[in-house]
Amino acid sequence: QKEVEQNSGPLSVPEGAIASLNCTYSDQGSQSFFWYRQYSGKSPELIMFIYSNGDKEDGRFTAQLNKASQYVSLLIRDSQPSDSATYLCAVNSEGTYKYIFGTGTRLKVLA
Amino acid sequence: DVKVTQSSRYLVKRTGEKVFLECVQDMDHENMFWYRQDPGLGLRLIYFSYDVKMKEKGDIPEGYSVSREKKERFSLILESASTNQTSMYLCASSLPAMFVQFFGPGTRLTVL
Repeated sequence: QKEVEQNSGPLSVPEGAIASLNCTYSDQGSQSFFWYRQYSGKSPELIMFIYSNGDKEDGRFTAQLNKASQYVSLLIRDSQPSDSATYLCAVNSEGTYKYIFGTGTRLKVLA
Repeated sequence: DVKVTQSSRYLVKRTGEKVFLECVQDMDHENMFWYRQDPGLGLRLIYFSYDVKMKEKGDIPEGYSVSREKKERFSLILESASTNQTSMYLCASSLPAMFVQFFGPGTRLTVL
């Protein structure tokens, strides 16, 4: 059974701090990795995707991938109260259309 | 911008009713997906379609069927709704090479 694990949280950080969200996956054939943000009652919206080992930066967000250790993380710099949401990690295996989603980490940014 | 729309935001149905949930995307995406999302269980794939009239079962297809007669439209059908199908239903679409999925706003279905 392929799995994607996330700590459910809540992860609480003060405004302006760095929030670090982590995700581990079991399928060594995983090729594509995605972070979605989901506000309460809303649908997931894509923040970032990463395919290669290392870091990928987009504004205040940085995705980090380590395939050898089978984890992917999302860093949010200068966290804002508007970043308070559930963050979903999704993993896609090579040659398939399917994602495996984690259950999400709830982030609370305290003003 | 990719736009994925779903026919209803909220729906209340009775046990045993046949329920249709519709999803439309305007970006000519080949792939379309139906998920349900439940607290503590995350998103689970019900069915997906990679072309018109083509479909594949996801992880939890029991009690559901789908229809894709046109590229832009993907329908989820609950043949005989049951209370354990009360959930948030999310439709998504993607291009085959990109693997990035874009979600619709969701339909919160309550079966009484």
